[in-house]
Amino acid sequence: DAKTTQPNSMESNEEEPVHLPCNHSTISGTDYIHWYRQLPSQGPEYVIHGLTSNVNNRMASLAIAEDRKSSTLILHRATLRDAAVYYCIISSGSARQLTFGSGTQLTVLP
Amino acid sequence: GAVVSQHPSWVICKSGTSVKIECRSLDFQATTMFWYRQFPKQSLMLMATSNEGSKATYEQGVEKDKFLINHASLTLSTLTVTSAHPEDSSFYICSATNRGSYEQYFGPGTRLTVT
Repeated sequence: DAKTTQPNSMESNEEEPVHLPCNHSTISGTDYIHWYRQLPSQGPEYVIHGLTSNVNNRMASLAIAEDRKSSTLILHRATLRDAAVYYCIISSGSARQLTFGSGTQLTVLP
Repeated sequence: GAVVSQHPSWVICKSGTSVKIECRSLDFQATTMFWYRQFPKQSLMLMATSNEGSKATYEQGVEKDKFLINHASLTLSTLTVTSAHPEDSSFYICSATNRGSYEQYFGPGTRLTVT
């Protein structure tokens, strides 16, 4: 699976948008981009995934660069409950294993 | 979303004993389950992939005789840590998915402490 690069940490103010970047320059044409988040002492939680087009769901939006070498997870209005480690993961196919990197620790300031 | 449970949520055992952790998909049939381990302040590390009715596939460096995985049904997988040692103390997390699905549903994790 392609390697990802994410900032170690980011801060955001409550109720403001957050843009979490991820670089995946070695992504192949059939690889999907997944985002999961993990709150302290809990299992990870699925956030969103995409292939080529931008994606929206109730939790977030995923903006994928035209060359697919980078993507951005967008939380439209950060809340204190969004404070978590966010993982960007590249995986090929469905029902496939996920390789977790170090992720981005998001801190939301009140 | 789909729900995955783990039992127990935490366990303390003595060195040399065995511990079994259960992972259940509560409202869907999981063709594939994964077991991860997470040490403090580190990321999740995949231990093994388990397909229903088949032997688990272990990642390099994970001892299959020490970490026994059974996936006997489409809703249950178990991880048994045999002859546990203090260095096995960790947060064990399972996830479940279906053939054709791009989402993995994670359990809440099991905190194992070996004394």
